[in-house]
Amino acid sequence: QSALTQPPSVSGSPGQSVTISCTGTSSDVGSNDRVSWFQQPPGTAPKLLLYEVNNRPSGVPDRFSGSKSGNTASLTISGLKAEDEADYYCTSHTTSVTWVFGGGTKLTVL
Amino acid sequence: QVQLVESGGGVVQPGKSLRLSCIVSGFTFSNFGMHWVRQSPGKGLEWAAYVSPDGTSKHYADSVKGRFIISRDNAMNTLYLQVSGLRVDDTALYYCTREIAIGGFDYWGQGTLVAVSS
Repeated sequence: QSALTQPPSVSGSPGQSVTISCTGTSSDVGSNDRVSWFQQPPGTAPKLLLYEVNNRPSGVPDRFSGSKSGNTASLTISGLKAEDEADYYCTSHTTSVTWVFGGGTKLTVL
Repeated sequence: QVQLVESGGGVVQPGKSLRLSCIVSGFTFSNFGMHWVRQSPGKGLEWAAYVSPDGTSKHYADSVKGRFIISRDNAMNTLYLQVSGLRVDDTALYYCTREIAIGGFDYWGQGTLVAVSS
């Protein structure tokens, strides 16, 4: 159950787009579409942004979108805002009927 | 509104046990799978355990298997995590979370802190 691989940090200016990758294996990300993304500002509980690759819960802006190709999933945030500065985590269901998170990516809005 | 409130954390010595609880409200508890996810101080999220809506199916991360037991009481709207054989690396904020779709953890509690130290 190795953690999914995410870049430690990404950055962008307001209005720009950034993409965060999440790389796993054929036993997790590559095996199904049960990939989710979470946003966690400092000192708060995680918030669900996307589930099943690209489904947004009610209230999540369409600036947040997801995709997947092979063993890699991606989160794209368009029209960056200062309030988007947070840690972002991916998670995937696995063939062992477990769940695995990525190591997390810190987004800095310049 | 949906609420999840964890309790039961504390400071314990290695090898000891605790029972964490998560009382939920605002939704039909028995309709949803539930998870425990933990986060060590300054670190990332780690999935720990899952229980199905009726409590019959349970799954664990390798790091806690054999030491932690997840359970639920649907009549009391409460999720539990019995943590035993605690190790220093179990020190973390333990969150309970509801699952709307596989991996879609949509509501989270505020967490309960377990600190393991001699």
